[in-house]
Parts: sequence; structure tokens; C-alpha cells
Amino acid sequence: AQSVTQPDIHITVSEGASLELRCNYSYGATPYLFWYVQSPGQGLQLLLKYFSGDTLVQGIKGFEAEFKRSQSSFNLRKPSVHWSDAAEYFCAVGPHSGAGSYQLTFGKGTKLSVIP
Amino acid sequence: GAVVSQHPSRVICKSGTSVKIECRSLDFQATTMFWYRQFPKQSLMLMATSNEGSKATYEQGVEKDKFLINHASLTLSTLTVTSAHPEDSSFYICSARDRGTGFNYSPLHFGNGTRLTVT
Repeated sequence: AQSVTQPDIHITVSEGASLELRCNYSYGATPYLFWYVQSPGQGLQLLLKYFSGDTLVQGIKGFEAEFKRSQSSFNLRKPSVHWSDAAEYFCAVGPHSGAGSYQLTFGKGTKLSVIP
Repeated sequence: GAVVSQHPSRVICKSGTSVKIECRSLDFQATTMFWYRQFPKQSLMLMATSNEGSKATYEQGVEKDKFLINHASLTLSTLTVTSAHPEDSSFYICSARDRGTGFNYSPLHFGNGTRLTVT
């Protein structure tokens, strides 16, 4: 069964500092990988996705993520964090096949706090 | 960009009553919609997959008679929590996939969620 692990429940960084949120996945084949962000009381917004090709993907709001097959990881990074980045971040994995209902499996999330 | 509207954003109801939550894709057609439940400080748990014009597919452990899902059109899916109890209090989120962008490259678009409180 597929699974997603986000080892860090809560991370606090200073504004302007760099950020890396970890994500490891378990999947039987090459998955589709996603990072979503959720502000309090809100739905999820897609930050970026990896399907194939270049393993370093760029997303919105200055975020990027790198797919490392050998480590089964898809870590999210940002070189300089802004106070508005404080939110909950979810890593998700989905099937690579065109069949089925295209369900996503989410990690438990990492809460990011930003110190001014 | 693709927008999913979920309504209401908050609802408080009494135990034993039913509550309907709507999920609409505003600028695209959604063949498939998904309903998730999120507990505090937890991830999203998929409850069911809603397919336009057919019965929903429920995940193991989700009571289909309690959580009624209807996907009558390509832009609307509804989740009705029947005979609600306090333990049904949670944050419910819907998501939809744009059928027009191709299956393999279409991410999910999420609604803003509904906070249900059953008293």
C-alpha cells in the first residue's frame, strides 16, 4: 500500500531563513508527487507537482521540490521564507496509471511557523 | 485558475439532524470529485469518490448510509451527513479533477472546506 511520511510535525524558522520540509513516500511504482499548502480553516492549494522529467520542479510562491528516487523523497524547499508562508504543508502521492479514480494519499502534514 | 466552491464554510447542527454540503466546480467540468475528512492536526482521510452519474465509491470504514453522496451533474457533488452525531464533527473538504486537462496531468482542485459542529 502506498504511504507518505512527513517526519516533522512542526517546524519554526525565522523570516528570511531557508526552509526544507521533508517527505518520504512508499509506492510500488513511479508515483505522481504533490505538495499542497493549507492555511487555517481553508482548503488546499497546489504548490507544485512532479510527474516525470526534470527531478527539480518549480512551484508557486518561490517553492521548489526535488524528487530523489533512490531516497524515495520529495522534499520541499524555499531559499527565503516570508511570514505569509506560515501554514500547514502536505505532501501527497498519486497513481501513475491512467486507470482508476486518481486518488491521492496524503502525509500528516508539517506545520510551519515563521518568526518575524 | 480552476475554482472549487464549497458551501457552507461552517455549519452547526443538533444531534439527529441532517446536513448537506455542496461542492461545485465553477469554471470546469469535474467527472470525479473526492470527499475528505480532516481531524485536528491530522491529514486528509479520503471518505469517498464521487463519479458523475453513478454511485459513489466509499473507502473502507465509511458508512455509505450515513454519508450520502450525490454527483448529479458535472459541476456539483453533495455530501449529506444524515442523523449527525457529535463524533461527526470535523472538517470536510471536497476536491475535483478537471476532465478537460487530461487524466495524467490534472491535479486536484480543492474547496475551502466545511467545518461541521454537531451539538
